[in-house]
Amino acid sequence: GDSVTQMEGPVTLSEEAFLTINCTYTATGYPSLFWYVQYPGEGLQLLLKATKADDKGSNKGFEATYRKETTSFHLEKGSVQVSDSAVYFCALTSLKAAGNKLTFGGGTRVLVKP
Amino acid sequence: NAGVTQTPKFQVLKTGQSMTLQCAQDMNHNSMYWYRQDPGMGLRLIYYSASEGTTDKGEVPNGYNVSRLNKREFSLRLESAAPSQTSVYFCASSLGTGWSVTLDTQYFGPGTRLTVL
Repeated sequence: GDSVTQMEGPVTLSEEAFLTINCTYTATGYPSLFWYVQYPGEGLQLLLKATKADDKGSNKGFEATYRKETTSFHLEKGSVQVSDSAVYFCALTSLKAAGNKLTFGGGTRVLVKP
Repeated sequence: NAGVTQTPKFQVLKTGQSMTLQCAQDMNHNSMYWYRQDPGMGLRLIYYSASEGTTDKGEVPNGYNVSRLNKREFSLRLESAAPSQTSVYFCASSLGTGWSVTLDTQYFGPGTRLTVL
C-alpha cells in the first residue's frame, strides 16, 4: 500500500537558519504530494502541493519539488522565523473511485528559537 | 465562514462509555473525513463520506461508526470506548468527490482531544 516516510524530529533551529525536512514515499500509480502544517493547538492547514513530476509547490517561503526518480518531496525554507515553529506533515493521495484518501507521514516537529 | 468546526474540543471517558463527536462544514463540500492522530504515526483515516448518503471505511474503522446526517454534518460515534481510542480526532472536508486533486484539497477542523480511562 501507499506510505510516507519523513524524518523524525524534533528539529531545533535558530531564527534565519535554513530548514530542510526530508520526505520519501511509496505509492501505486501517480500520486499527488502535499505538505501540511499544524500550529500548536490548531488543526492541519495545507502548506503546499504538487500534482506531477518536477512540479514545485511553494507558499510562505516554503518550497518542495516532486522528484519522481527519487520518490521524494523534501520541504525547504531559506530563513525560518519563530512563527514557523509547528509540526509538518508530508502526505500523498492517489485518486480512487470514490473518496480522496490522504496517507500521512508521522510528522516532524520544528522548533525555531530566537 | 467558519470552515470546519468540531465539538467538543476535549472529552474524558471511562472505558465502556459511548459518545459522539460532531463535525460540521459550511463550505458546501461534498466529501468529509474522520482521522485520528497518534504520536509518531501521523493521521490515519477512520471513515470518509464521498457524498451525502454514502460512507466508507478507511484504514482504522474498528470500534467506530459514522453518520452523514446531511451535506454539512458528519458525526463519529464510539459505542464502547477503549483506552486504545485515546487520541486526537480530526474532521476534514473537500469540495470534490475524489476525481480532482484541485477540488479535493482537504480542509481540517481544530480537533477533539479524547482520553479514555
